[in-house]
Order: sequence, then C-alpha cells, then structure tokens
Amino acid sequence: AQSVTQLDSHVSVSEGTPVLLRCNYSSSYSPSLFWYVQHPNKGLQLLLKYTSAATLVKGINGFEAEFKKSETSFHLTKPSAHMSDAAEYFCVVRNTGFQKLVFGTGTRLLVSP
Amino acid sequence: DGGITQSPKYLFRKEGQNVTLSCEQNLNHDAMYWYRQDPGQGLRLIYYSQIVNDFQKGDIAEGYSVSREKKESFPLTVTSAQKNPTAFYLCASTPIATAYGYTFGSGTRLTVV
Repeated sequence: AQSVTQLDSHVSVSEGTPVLLRCNYSSSYSPSLFWYVQHPNKGLQLLLKYTSAATLVKGINGFEAEFKKSETSFHLTKPSAHMSDAAEYFCVVRNTGFQKLVFGTGTRLLVSP
Repeated sequence: DGGITQSPKYLFRKEGQNVTLSCEQNLNHDAMYWYRQDPGQGLRLIYYSQIVNDFQKGDIAEGYSVSREKKESFPLTVTSAQKNPTAFYLCASTPIATAYGYTFGSGTRLTVV
C-alpha cells in the first residue's frame, strides 16, 4: 500500500527565510505525488504535482518540490517565506489503480514577522 | 466558473438526527469523494464514486451513507449511527484516468449540539 509520512507536525520560520517541509513516501510503483495547502476553514488548494516527468517540480506562489527516488522523499521548499504562507500543508500520494488519494497528517507552517 | 460547491458551510446536529451535506460540481468530473478531517489526523476517505449510480466505501464509512444519482451531485448523509460526527467534511472531484490532482470544495463544518 502507498503512504506518505510528513516528518514535522509544525514548522516555524521568520518572514523572508527559507521554508522546508519534509515528506517521505512509500510506494511499490512510480508514484504520483502532490502537495496541497489549506488555509483555516477552507478547502485544499493544489500547490504542485509530480507525475514521473521532471524531478524538480515548480508550483504556485514560489513553491517547488524535488522527487528523490533514492531517498523516497518529496520535500517542499520556498526560498523566502511570506506571512500569507502560514497554513497547513499536506503531502499526498495517489493510490495507483484505485483513483484514491492518501494524505499525510499535515504540517502547520507558522510565519513570524 | 467551474468548481465544487459545498453547502451549508456550518451545520449543527442534535443527537439522534440524520443530516445531509451537499456537494455539487460543474467540472464534468467523473469521480467524486468525501473526506473527513480531524485535527492532527489529515484527511480520511469516507466514500467515493467513479460513476453515476455506483459508489464504494472508503476507510471510515461506518455511520455514513451517500448517493450518486447525477454526475454533478454526491450528497453525504451523516446518520445517527455515527457516534462522533463533529468534524470538517471535504468533498472533492477528479477526472478519471488522469494524473491530475483533485479539486476540493470549501468544506462543511459539522458540530453536534
């Protein structure tokens, strides 16, 4: 079965400093991986997706993620945090053949002035 | 604009009552999903449907029921058998057989009073 593990439940950064949100995956196949963002009491918005094309994936709002098969990782990064980035972030793997998404438990990003 | 509409945004349920959460999409997506979100647990799949008049149980289907009479609509009923229904409920949809991520609604927050 496919799964993802988000290694940090909370990450705190200062505005203007880099962001790193860590995600490891487990999959028997070449996975489809996603990062979603959720602001309080809102639905989820797709940040970026990896679908076996380029290993470095660029998303919206300056975020990017790198697929590393040797490390089974798909970490999310941003060079410079903005206050509006404060939200919860979910790493997600798509369960091949069953059209289902499997979610990590989420990482809450806190951005201080 | 295309999207998913969930209603109501907030819903209060008395003990022993059934309540129905609405989910409508105008994206012409084949598959629709219901997820439950609890703090610190990520999203868990309740039910999903890949075609009209057919649906499958997810990981936590007990105490819930769904119908898919129209492609655009996938309502979720929270029955009195669901002992702990207070949560944030998210509806999502996706085209079948693509590697794209899902489109999410803005959610319904259900509270038992």
